[in-house]
Amino acid sequence: EAQVTQNPRYLITVTGKKLTVTCSQNMNHEYMSWYRQDPGLGLRQIYYSMNVEVTDKGDVPEGYKVSRKEKRNFPLILESPSPNQTSLYFCASSLYKAGNTEAFFGQGTRLTVV
Amino acid sequence: KQEVTQIPAALSVPEGENLVLNCSFTDSAIYNLQWFRQDPGKGLTSLLLIQSSQREQTSGRLNASLDKSSGRSTLYIAASQPGDSATYLCAVTFDDYKLSFGAGTTVTVRA
Repeated sequence: EAQVTQNPRYLITVTGKKLTVTCSQNMNHEYMSWYRQDPGLGLRQIYYSMNVEVTDKGDVPEGYKVSRKEKRNFPLILESPSPNQTSLYFCASSLYKAGNTEAFFGQGTRLTVV
Repeated sequence: KQEVTQIPAALSVPEGENLVLNCSFTDSAIYNLQWFRQDPGKGLTSLLLIQSSQREQTSGRLNASLDKSSGRSTLYIAASQPGDSATYLCAVTFDDYKLSFGAGTTVTVRA
C-alpha cells in the first residue's frame, strides 16, 4: 500500500530536549516536505526536499532541521524545542515537485512542548 | 502575496443536499490546485488534482472546477452523506516548492 508513515503519532516533551520526528514513504517519490498546522494559521511549510541531499527552507524554518540522506526518509529535527513549536506536524511527498502530481500526507504527529 | 481563501469556514447541511465549497486564490499563474479532505486527528487525503490546463476533474460524487482567470475553484459533492462530514482544504501550487493552503471549510452533514 502506498503510504507516508510518520512516527511518533503523539509526543510530549520538555523545552530544550532534542527530538526527531521520522517520515518515510514507499512510493519512490523525489519530493518530500514538512508542514505544521496551527489553529487560525492553517498549514505552513517548514522545509522541503527536491531529492536526496537537496533541501531548502519553507515559510517557517526557524528552530527546525531536516536531512535527506535516503530517498525514502525525511526526518524533522528539533534541536531545542520550545513551547511555540507545539503543533500538529505533517510530512508529505509527491512524485515530482510540490504539486505537480498528487500529494500524499502522513497521519500527522501531535507535538506538545512543555 | 499569494493567498488562498476558503469561504465559508463552516457549513451544515441535511443529508442528501448537494455541497458547494469555494476556494479563491490571488495569483492566476498557478501550476495546479488540489482538494483534500481532513478528518479530525487524521492526515490529509487527496480528493482531486486539477492541472492548470484543465477546467474540471471528476471522481464519483465529487466534481471540482477551476477558473484561473477569476482565481476560483469550486468543489461540488453530490447527494451528501453523513460520512462526508470533514474539513475540506484547498491547496494551490504557485511554484515548484510548496502547496499553499486555505484555512478549510468544515462540513457537517446532518442525518
